[in-house]
Amino acid sequence: NAGVTQTPKFQVLKTGQSMTLQCAQDMNHNSMYWYRQDPGMGLRLIYYSASEGTTDKGEVPNGYNVSRLNKREFSLRLESAAPSQTSVYFCASTKGFVSGSSYNEQFFGPGTRLTVL
Amino acid sequence: KQEVTQIPAALSVPEGENLVLNCSFTDSAIYNLQWFRQDPGKGLTSLLLIQSSQREQTSGRLNASLDKSSGRSTLYIAASQPGDSATYLCAVREYGNNRLAFGKGNQVVVIP
Repeated sequence: NAGVTQTPKFQVLKTGQSMTLQCAQDMNHNSMYWYRQDPGMGLRLIYYSASEGTTDKGEVPNGYNVSRLNKREFSLRLESAAPSQTSVYFCASTKGFVSGSSYNEQFFGPGTRLTVL
Repeated sequence: KQEVTQIPAALSVPEGENLVLNCSFTDSAIYNLQWFRQDPGKGLTSLLLIQSSQREQTSGRLNASLDKSSGRSTLYIAASQPGDSATYLCAVREYGNNRLAFGKGNQVVVIP
């Protein structure tokens, strides 16, 4: 199993450009998440998808859109990139959510390092 | 809003010493707590998941305890090795919430 994979690994954009970050998992997980990690701010949730066909805003959704393409794939789109979106982006997944269960364990991808000039 | 705190932000220990990392959270109504390891430039690797009904979890040299009532978890790493140098993050999942709240991490250096 590859686990959670993300593409690309690195990207440089100019202000105003758009791009889509791709994420896929092969663990048959139901829930998927997008985070950004910034120095001094820790990990912050951008959007998540509790199950196929649903998406919800997290802590910092402004400037982003998401698509849960199917059970395996969850993409994050920047429509008009801004320097404030320079960050490391992580995708994660969990099998689902069952109280008191290891289903809740969250697994992360390797990250995409994005620089917006 | 759940606040997760990890103090100190950074620490160094000599090889062979036991590592003790602390995590505190403000709201004790949690489903579980998860400890992660992050190496520089890499993603997060799950180390241990403790359910709210559990007091501790163990994996090899790692042991994590949970005291939900006092809002604290401790990660113990026995006989530290230079390969244990990394940033360790804890995260809690609250009741009625499909999200994890993360601490900012403990950056650990094990000196050979």
